[in-house]
Amino acid sequence: KQEVTQIPAALSVPEGENLVLNCSFTDSAIYNLQWFRQDPGKGLTSLLLIQSSQREQTSGRLNASLDKSSGRSTLYIAASQPGDSATYLCAVNAAGNKLTFGGGTRVLVKP
Amino acid sequence: GAVVSQHPSRVICKSGTSVKIECRSLDFQATTMFWYRQFPKQSLMLMATSNEGSKATYEQGVEKDKFLINHASLTLSTLTVTSAHPEDSSFYICSAEGVRNQPQHFGDGTRLSIL
Repeated sequence: KQEVTQIPAALSVPEGENLVLNCSFTDSAIYNLQWFRQDPGKGLTSLLLIQSSQREQTSGRLNASLDKSSGRSTLYIAASQPGDSATYLCAVNAAGNKLTFGGGTRVLVKP
Repeated sequence: GAVVSQHPSRVICKSGTSVKIECRSLDFQATTMFWYRQFPKQSLMLMATSNEGSKATYEQGVEKDKFLINHASLTLSTLTVTSAHPEDSSFYICSAEGVRNQPQHFGDGTRLSIL
């Protein structure tokens, strides 16, 4: 059974610092891995999707890497802003597009 | 971009009431829709996979008679929480898949509170 773990569970940084969010998964047989943002009481916003054949994806200040063999992905957010405060979830798509989510990392960027 | 509309966004009702939540894909056809449940400060847990025109596939531990899922068209799936009790209070989120193994598109969720 696929298990997804996110560390740390919570993170607080001053504005301008780079954020590093970690995601690990137990079964490396995946189709893709996706990073989401969730604001309190809201649904999910897809940030980046990395196919299993890819090593990384970039979008603006966001960069996500994938090391499938070691079961790890890292989301980097450069030059953090207060608007980046949210919960970040990673999800692994292993079979049938059924996503297994990690527990999330709650991020607070202090102005 | 692809949009998924979920309605209602919030429901407060008495214990014993049945509650229906709708999930619509507004600008694409969704052969598969997924229903998730999220408890406070926890992650999303997949409840069931809904395929148009066929019975939903429920995850282990999810009562199919409690959570009725209907996917009668390529743009609409409904989740009905039957005879809801306080322990059913949660945040329910749907997602829709247009092309297989391409990113799912998520609704904004429904906050269900059972008194």
